[in-house]
Amino acid sequence: EIVLTQSPGTLSLSPGERGTLSCRASQRISNSYLAWYQQQPGQAPRLLIYGASSRAAGIPDRFSGSGSGTDFTLTISRLEPEDFAVYWCQQYASSPLTFGGGTKVEIK
Amino acid sequence: QVKLVESGGGVVQPGRSLRLSCVASGFTFTRYGMHWVRQAPGKGLEWVAVISDYGIDKDYADSVKGRFTISRDNSKNTLDLQMNSLRPEDTAVYYCASGAVFGAVKDYFDYWGQGTLVTVSS
Repeated sequence: EIVLTQSPGTLSLSPGERGTLSCRASQRISNSYLAWYQQQPGQAPRLLIYGASSRAAGIPDRFSGSGSGTDFTLTISRLEPEDFAVYWCQQYASSPLTFGGGTKVEIK
Repeated sequence: QVKLVESGGGVVQPGRSLRLSCVASGFTFTRYGMHWVRQAPGKGLEWVAVISDYGIDKDYADSVKGRFTISRDNSKNTLDLQMNSLRPEDTAVYYCASGAVFGAVKDYFDYWGQGTLVTVSS
């Protein structure tokens, strides 16, 4: 099973700042089969990024993904008020499909 | 637009059974694998099960293998999860989610339902 470790657990930032979220895998993720999701309180997750760096439909370009192998990053270039949420990474290279423990982006 | 609507959640005693359903609309249901993902209160996301586009292939998380059964009815655009021998640790919001790649079972999740809460408690 591929274990995903997200860091930091909580990121305290102000609107307009840049956010950098990390997702590290316990083994290499083939084909960069890694996705990122955003979850607001009381809501279902929403797909942001797939294939490590491809933005899903309708996702603003302030969200970008990068990385390969075992190290992946989600960057939010300038935080908008609606970006304060929990972010999850997920690998779909091998079964079982697994998620990271999440990063909460909170208002500083 | 794509819609996934779950139902069937509720409070159930340990050891009992519950069946969840998900009705899909707004996309070609038969093209995609369908998944169940759960989230315990205040906790992270856990993938539970997947069924392939025509129902041939199924896979489960170890935590539910032998107790849960995933199924689909492509004539009705519905996805089900039969949950037997429920345990308190199965308490969670259960989300129905669609895969994004034609025919894939190892996949990311394009669309999610709003979730249905299952509480296992005596």
